[in-house]
Amino acid sequence: EAGVAQSPRYKIIEKRQSVAFWCNPISGHATLYWYQQILGQGPKLLIQFQNNGVVDDSQLPKDRFSAERLKGVDSTLKIQPAKLEDSAVYLCASSKGPAFPYNEQFFGPGTRLTVL
Amino acid sequence: QQQVKQSPQSLIVQKGGISIINCAYENTAFDYFPWYQQFPGKGPALLIAIRPDVSEKKEGRFTISFNKSAKQFSLHIMDSQPGDSATYFCAASATAWTSGSRLTFGEGTQLTVNP
Repeated sequence: EAGVAQSPRYKIIEKRQSVAFWCNPISGHATLYWYQQILGQGPKLLIQFQNNGVVDDSQLPKDRFSAERLKGVDSTLKIQPAKLEDSAVYLCASSKGPAFPYNEQFFGPGTRLTVL
Repeated sequence: QQQVKQSPQSLIVQKGGISIINCAYENTAFDYFPWYQQFPGKGPALLIAIRPDVSEKKEGRFTISFNKSAKQFSLHIMDSQPGDSATYFCAASATAWTSGSRLTFGEGTQLTVNP
C-alpha cells in the first residue's frame, strides 16, 4: 500500500511570510497527525484529527498555525506569519484509529521548512 | 509529567556488538511504548512496540525490555550492523478512542555502528 505523502519536501521563506504544507494519509486511515521536529529533537505533536474533527490541538500555536482536514482525507497545515523559530521538519502521520490495536502511526517523509 | 527521557544521546558500537538505549517516563497513564528508527531525510519508521502487560518483546535482532514499576523501558539491538546506523526514538502514549493519543517522543539517540 502507498505510504503517507507530503508536499513540498523543502520550503524556504522569509520571516513573516506564510506557508502551507499538504498531507495525504494512507487510504482508510481515520486518524491524522501533524508533528513538528526541530533539528536534534524528537517530534512534537501539533494537532491530531479523527476523521475531519480535531481531537487534540493543545500544543498548536493557534495565533499563527492552523490546520484543516476537509472530507476526512487530505490535510493542510498553514503557518501565518512564520517566525525564525518555526524552522523545522513538519511530519504528517496517520493511523487506522486512535487506540490500540489500530494506533500504529505511519509517518511521511516530512517537509523541511527554513525561515530566513 | 508528559516527558519521556532518553539516553544516551549518542552511541558508537562495533559491528556485531549490542546496542542498548534507555528511556524513562513519568505519566502512569502511558500504555503504549513504541520505538522508531529514523534515517536522515526520512520520517520515523516503527521498529517495535510494547504494551505494559508484558515485560519483554523480541522481533528479530530487536528486543524491548519493559519495567513497569521503575517506569523504564529499553531497546536492545543484538548483532548490530552498519545498516542500523540511524537515530532511534522511544515514545509513549496513552491510547484512547475518545481523546487524543499523541506520541510523546524522547530526544533521540544517534547510533553509529562501525564496520
